[in-house]
Amino acid sequence: QSALTQPRSVSGSPGQSVTISCTGTTSDVGAYNYVSWYQHHPGKAPKLMIYDVSKRPSGVPDRFSGSKSGNTASLTISGLQAEDEADYYCCSYAGSYTSWVFGGGTKLTVL
Amino acid sequence: QVQLQESGPGLVKPSETLSLTCTVSGGSISSSFWYWIRQPPGKGLEWIGYGYYSGTTSYNPSLKSRVTISVDTPKNQFSLKLRSVTAADTAVYYCASLNSGDFKFDSWGQGTLVTVSS
Repeated sequence: QSALTQPRSVSGSPGQSVTISCTGTTSDVGAYNYVSWYQHHPGKAPKLMIYDVSKRPSGVPDRFSGSKSGNTASLTISGLQAEDEADYYCCSYAGSYTSWVFGGGTKLTVL
Repeated sequence: QVQLQESGPGLVKPSETLSLTCTVSGGSISSSFWYWIRQPPGKGLEWIGYGYYSGTTSYNPSLKSRVTISVDTPKNQFSLKLRSVTAADTAVYYCASLNSGDFKFDSWGQGTLVTVSS
């Protein structure tokens, strides 16, 4: 069982929006604004999509956005495109001892 | 962004040592923290630890007794050694980078599957 809880799968049609949740605790997601999200197409290197809860690296479309409320972070993808179909993982800093916790991953299917 | 590439045996026998290397290209190995992260089949990601060019290391407490991460600056590589492996160590192993002061993994390798089996 992963430290952060994500839904195993979500789906949406092209053009729609989907939100992926990531639930942690007061020791990780709730304690720090250091949640990041990674997109992973099987066989490829994971790609950073969101960091520090809501910041986007250069080159990531603004269709991707992040937010946090309490112990739950969320990744929203608007205007779904076929190439968005992938696995998405959340990650949170958890302090100097535990350091990093990850979610179990969510498979996004674009219908 | 740097490019990372994992290499090493894909099959390791139980009780032996898993050894992997990550080659860094397109950047200096002195500029980041170098992580190993793994994903067992059907499970989530787990951070293993990191190394820094100065020799500083930090490990996941759950693996600390079996892990060594080292950085080879002249070769622009860093490595992972995981001792006394069992089937539970079967996973895709990724190397990744994190810049000092940041809290995000900027670059990742494609990952390499290591199976522990006799």
